[in-house]
Amino acid sequence: EPEVTQTPSHQVTQMGQEVILRCVPISNHLYFYWYRQILGQKVEFLVSFYNNEISEKSEIFDDQFSVERPDGSNFTLKIRSTKLEDSAMYFCASSVNGLTNSPLHFGNGTRLTVT
Amino acid sequence: DAKTTQPNSMESNEEEPVHLPCNHSTISGTDYIHWYRQLPSQGPEYVIHGLTSNVNNRMASLAIAEDRKSSTLILHRATLRDAAVYYCILKSSGSARQLTFGSGTQLTVLP
Repeated sequence: EPEVTQTPSHQVTQMGQEVILRCVPISNHLYFYWYRQILGQKVEFLVSFYNNEISEKSEIFDDQFSVERPDGSNFTLKIRSTKLEDSAMYFCASSVNGLTNSPLHFGNGTRLTVT
Repeated sequence: DAKTTQPNSMESNEEEPVHLPCNHSTISGTDYIHWYRQLPSQGPEYVIHGLTSNVNNRMASLAIAEDRKSSTLILHRATLRDAAVYYCILKSSGSARQLTFGSGTQLTVLP
């Protein structure tokens, strides 16, 4: 069964550094998402992306964050200048379309540790 | 998004059926009911979804009340691998592109 893959599985970075988290969504899916989960807390929506532009974003997704689909297969999340509070699991997801009956398929995440 | 209410935790014995309840009294007519689960150290995993009729798939069954104000996820024979946090989420047309996760139900399966 096709799956969403994320790399790396664990990233350690120093405060103030830029990080790029990578995702390969399922190939025929058109909508892409990033979520995060701080340890012990809920899964939180960051951003959705369709047709090469952001379709929705949460208040967490501020100017420090950006997303890109640099080629036909990858979907990336960049954090420009990391803070300690950015430490979390970051999950990428994709769906066939944006309809209410379209399930999201998630990757197994990248654990980001900011020191 | 309309809110859902789930018990914080439930226990089940291995190989017995599990019924995970969810209340969503403010559901609107076009909201789909989605269930996801999250196994330890993994990303959320889609389980099942429905609108009005009961639904079955290889993972589970979804029973939806006639007034749609509640639903129940049914795992027919729980295994140790089913131990996870189960999330009941309403997906509305107003925000069709994303899911809002609550705290879910932590299911413990006892051997």
